[in-house]
Amino acid sequence: NAGVTQTPKFQVLKTGQSMTLQCAQDMNHEYMSWYRQDPGMGLRLIHYSVGAGITDQGEVPNGYNVSRSTTEDFPLRLLSAAPSQTSVYFCASSYSDTSSGANVLTFGAGSRLTVL
Amino acid sequence: GQNIDQPTEMTATEGAIVQINCTYQTSGFNGLFWYQQHAGEAPTFLSYNVLDGLEEKGRFSSFLSRSKGYSYLLLKELQMKDSASYLCAVRDSNYQLIWGAGTKLIIKP
Repeated sequence: NAGVTQTPKFQVLKTGQSMTLQCAQDMNHEYMSWYRQDPGMGLRLIHYSVGAGITDQGEVPNGYNVSRSTTEDFPLRLLSAAPSQTSVYFCASSYSDTSSGANVLTFGAGSRLTVL
Repeated sequence: GQNIDQPTEMTATEGAIVQINCTYQTSGFNGLFWYQQHAGEAPTFLSYNVLDGLEEKGRFSSFLSRSKGYSYLLLKELQMKDSASYLCAVRDSNYQLIWGAGTKLIIKP
C-alpha cells in the first residue's frame, strides 16, 4: 500500500509556464483534494472531488484546473504559472467527504513549487 | 467569516507537559481534528473530537468544548521527536475542513 503518491517533489517554473502535479492513491478513496500551504496560513483547499467524474472548487481555485477520470488519479494543472502560486502543494484523500465519523485525510508527501 | 486561532509557536522541555490551544468560529460544527506535521513532511492525523470532553490516546489527549468554541491538545512526557507543527482543523456545516495556521512546538533538552 503506497497511500497517496505525489510527483514531482520539487519544481521550478517561469512565469507563464504550465505544468501538472500528479496525485495517485491506492486506497480506493472516494474523496480527493488539493491544498496549498503557505507560511503563516492554514491549509487552503484548491479543488476537490467526491468521486470519479465529479470535481468542485475549493477556497482558492483560480489559476488551477483538475480532473478525475479514475478513482485513483487526481492531477492538478497550473494553466499559466504566477509567482503567487509559489507554495507547497498537498494532495489528500479519504473515504468520503461527508461523514459523521472521524473521516481522516491521508496526505501525500507534498510538492514544493517555485515560480520565478 | 470562519476563523481558527492557534498560538504561532510554543517552547517546552523534554519530559514535560504542554497544552496547545485552538479556538474556532465556524459556520456549523461537525468535528475537530488535530494533525501533526514535521518540517518538510505531510500532516498526519492525531485525534478527532466531536463530543465535549477529553479523548486520550497514549501520550496525547485532546479536549473539546463546543459551547466555548475551544479545544486543546495535551502532550505528556515530551520527546524530542514531538518537535513539529500541530494543526487544528474544524469540519463545518458543509463538511469542509477549516484549518488553523498551526502551532510550531519546539522541544528543548
